[in-house]
Amino acid sequence: QSALTQPASVSGSPGQSITISCTGTSSDVGSYNLVTWYQQHPGKAPKLMIYEGNKRPSGVSNRFSGSKTGNTAYLAISGLQAEDEADYYCCSYAGSSTSFYVFGTGTKVTVL
Amino acid sequence: QVQLQESGPGLVKPSETLSLTCTVSGGSINNYYWSWIRQPPGKGLEWIGYIYFTGSTNYNPSLKSRVTILVDTSNNQFSLTLNSVTAADTAVYYCARGANWFEPWGQGTLVTVSS
Repeated sequence: QSALTQPASVSGSPGQSITISCTGTSSDVGSYNLVTWYQQHPGKAPKLMIYEGNKRPSGVSNRFSGSKTGNTAYLAISGLQAEDEADYYCCSYAGSSTSFYVFGTGTKVTVL
Repeated sequence: QVQLQESGPGLVKPSETLSLTCTVSGGSINNYYWSWIRQPPGKGLEWIGYIYFTGSTNYNPSLKSRVTILVDTSNNQFSLTLNSVTAADTAVYYCARGANWFEPWGQGTLVTVSS
């Protein structure tokens, strides 16, 4: 099972909006409403930002939103802030006959 | 709130067995799934497997032949054993609550495989 494909880097200025894509296949992203997004600052553990494609855990800013079209999921960050600079990983359920859960390749978000 | 803490040796010799324990505090291990996830230095995340509090498990097929996850509900802990390790198993190992999504996570522990 291959990793989901994400852009290596995305950047934006404070206050701008950015979108990170996460491309899988019809066997993972396209088949299940179980895409999650994690934020990871250097040297820290990942933090759940989005679950079930578009739901935000309590405490996560509403500047973060998730969506999906076909085999590609998206994480949008609006009103970009310096604290949003981090690595972001998507993850999808891939079925019990494969690897169960497959992560994306990761995207480095830089706030200019 | 619930907190997780990994513990175990930071250095393991090639061909030997990696063993880690995750201690759950601030809440019960009962009624939840619990996962292990790893991240090689400078690389992405890889799901290793999960266990339900009843002891039911599922593992990543790429690691299934070498992995065992167990739960100890009396001590609010679960553990990871990975056999026949090689340098490719060098990674930060995280424990986390959940299956379809993972939250919270432990701080992670670096395990280096080297002679």
